Amino acid sequence: DAKTTQPNSMESNEEEPVHLPCNHSTISGTDYIHWYRQLPSQGPEYVIHGLTSNVNNRMASLAIAEDRKSSTLILHRATLRDAAVYYCILRDLNNNYGQNFVFGPGTRLSVLP
Amino acid sequence: DSGVTQTPKHLITATGQRVTLRCSPRSGDLSVYWYQQSLDQGLQFLIHYYNGEERAKGNILERFSAQQFPDLHSELNLSSLELGDSALYFCASGTSGGYLGTDTQYFGPGTRLTVL
Repeated sequence: DAKTTQPNSMESNEEEPVHLPCNHSTISGTDYIHWYRQLPSQGPEYVIHGLTSNVNNRMASLAIAEDRKSSTLILHRATLRDAAVYYCILRDLNNNYGQNFVFGPGTRLSVLP
Repeated sequence: DSGVTQTPKHLITATGQRVTLRCSPRSGDLSVYWYQQSLDQGLQFLIHYYNGEERAKGNILERFSAQQFPDLHSELNLSSLELGDSALYFCASGTSGGYLGTDTQYFGPGTRLTVL
């Protein structure tokens, strides 16, 4: 799987939007962009994924650059519960058996009241 | 709640011992993945089973083994335990065989293993 780069940490104020960036300059045409988050003392949790078009779901929005070399996870209104480590992962549509999620260090998001 | 259950929640044991961790996937999911998370290594993929068959191995030590049973629950066996095996062990489940770019994994709450 192609490599992703994320900031180590970010801070946000409660009830404000948060934009979490991810760079993936070596992304291939068949790589899906996935975001997971891990709340304190919990297992990772799926957030959203996309290929080319921007995606929205009840948790977040995913904005994908036109050249797909970067993406941004958008939390529209951060709450204290959104404080977590956010992982950006690439998954190849055509990957072989055995290629599983490679979790990097992610971005630790702190939400201030 | 992801629908994935793991038992036990905590496990404390001594070096040299053997333990078994159990995972029940979400209803309808055929895949079970095991991960290890330690402070210095982050989340590391160990092994993947799909419908009872081993699909992939990651950084799993020879002292560790796993299996998936006909009812689709899975067990991770850790033997000859060392201090460095202390970690959180997560299992995740998924519907497909793990070879699609759209695959989503649903993680359990984890088992915290402490080796003294």
